[in-house]
Amino acid sequence: SQTIHQWPATLVQPVGSPLSLECTVEGTSNPNLYWYRQAAGRGLQLLFYSIGIDQISSEVPQNLSASRPQDRQFILSSKKLLLSDSGFYLCAWSWEGTIYFGEGSWLTVV
Amino acid sequence: SQQGEEDPQALSIQEGENATMNCSYKTSINNLQWYRQNSGRGLVHLILIRSNEREKHSGRLRVTLDTSKKSSSLLITASRAADTASYFCATDPSVTSYGKLTFGQGTILTVHP
Repeated sequence: SQTIHQWPATLVQPVGSPLSLECTVEGTSNPNLYWYRQAAGRGLQLLFYSIGIDQISSEVPQNLSASRPQDRQFILSSKKLLLSDSGFYLCAWSWEGTIYFGEGSWLTVV
Repeated sequence: SQQGEEDPQALSIQEGENATMNCSYKTSINNLQWYRQNSGRGLVHLILIRSNEREKHSGRLRVTLDTSKKSSSLLITASRAADTASYFCATDPSVTSYGKLTFGQGTILTVHP
């Protein structure tokens, strides 16, 4: 069966520090991968999606970037965090149109 | 922009009652999906209904879709305290959208024992 792992689960980072959130998917090959952000515990915003290695599309301009160095690995990064980057970040993969989410990473920028 | 808009924003009911949540959207869709999120956790897929379907069931869940009104509803029958969570609808605009769903703001459901 397929599983998705995302880490770290929580982190507190100072403004201006770098960020790296990692996500891996097991049990499937060549999945579509996504990074979503959820602010204030409400709706989700799609940040990035990837249909293959080094094939990444950004949905909104922002202070973040994404990379996919391996087929089942998706990384969300920032060189310098802003206060507005705080939120709940969710990695996900899809199969036949259904999205399967990881457990999320809580980021607090202080 | 958020395509799906859930109504109500919050719903509080007693165990055993039915819970109905509604979702409206603006543009044409390939399918509409409902997800559940327990506090502080990832989202869990509940049910997918395609644009050519009008109703779908899964256990205590019943989803309807009215494409003419661009709306969907999620009914949870005989609710339980464990159903307490946020519920989101999400729309998939086309078969070539690579699963890029647009989520609504969600309905917070509280089921009191």
